[in-house]
Amino acid sequence: QKEVEQNSGPLSVPEGAIASLNCTYSDRGSQSFFWYRQYSGKSPELIMFIYSNGDKEDGRFTAQLNKASQYVSLLIRDSQPSDSATYLCAVNIRGSARQLTFGSGTQLTVLP
Amino acid sequence: GAVVSQHPSWVICKSGTSVKIECRSLDFQATTMFWYRQFPKQSLMLMATSNEGSKATYEQGVEKDKFLINHASLTLSTLTVTSAHPEDSSFYICSARSNSYEQYFGPGTRLTVT
Repeated sequence: QKEVEQNSGPLSVPEGAIASLNCTYSDRGSQSFFWYRQYSGKSPELIMFIYSNGDKEDGRFTAQLNKASQYVSLLIRDSQPSDSATYLCAVNIRGSARQLTFGSGTQLTVLP
Repeated sequence: GAVVSQHPSWVICKSGTSVKIECRSLDFQATTMFWYRQFPKQSLMLMATSNEGSKATYEQGVEKDKFLINHASLTLSTLTVTSAHPEDSSFYICSARSNSYEQYFGPGTRLTVT
């Protein structure tokens, strides 16, 4: 089992819909979780991070953590074509000296 | 968010030559920097982790004598690809972290070896 897993997609949603991206992690002791967005040909950009103490909302983005089921999700409300990108989940795996472990990413396409 | 720069943004070199890539944290001190490589349509692959003033830790399968990493200050790390070959052509991305957990990525360097 990979330490951080994401459905590679592609995930397609119509413009204006809610896009839901999920990520599962193997280490129950993980306490920090990150979402990065990567446009084709560009480097990843940090868009959200949460710690184990709760969910977080920032504009159209909401990151939610389900510790019991060991998954973290990213919701994008009112999806726009400009949200089309690959979304990378990253988790601080316990014992990794605060090094982030990345999932392989989910490709999102928002259809106009 | 914090700003990380990389230079050059793209480079073309001949097979057998060496290329140096710089990674700088512009508005924070990076105690740790990471170097990644990404081939087209593939995920990020961590190459090495470097801490300021100490030797880099390389991931399994990454040749330390081919990919030389120097992290001489809290704002600068360099990656030198020695004796580059066409199979080294890739997108090289650095990231930097301060004392917290957040990692910020540089814009990447696209290397083409002819």
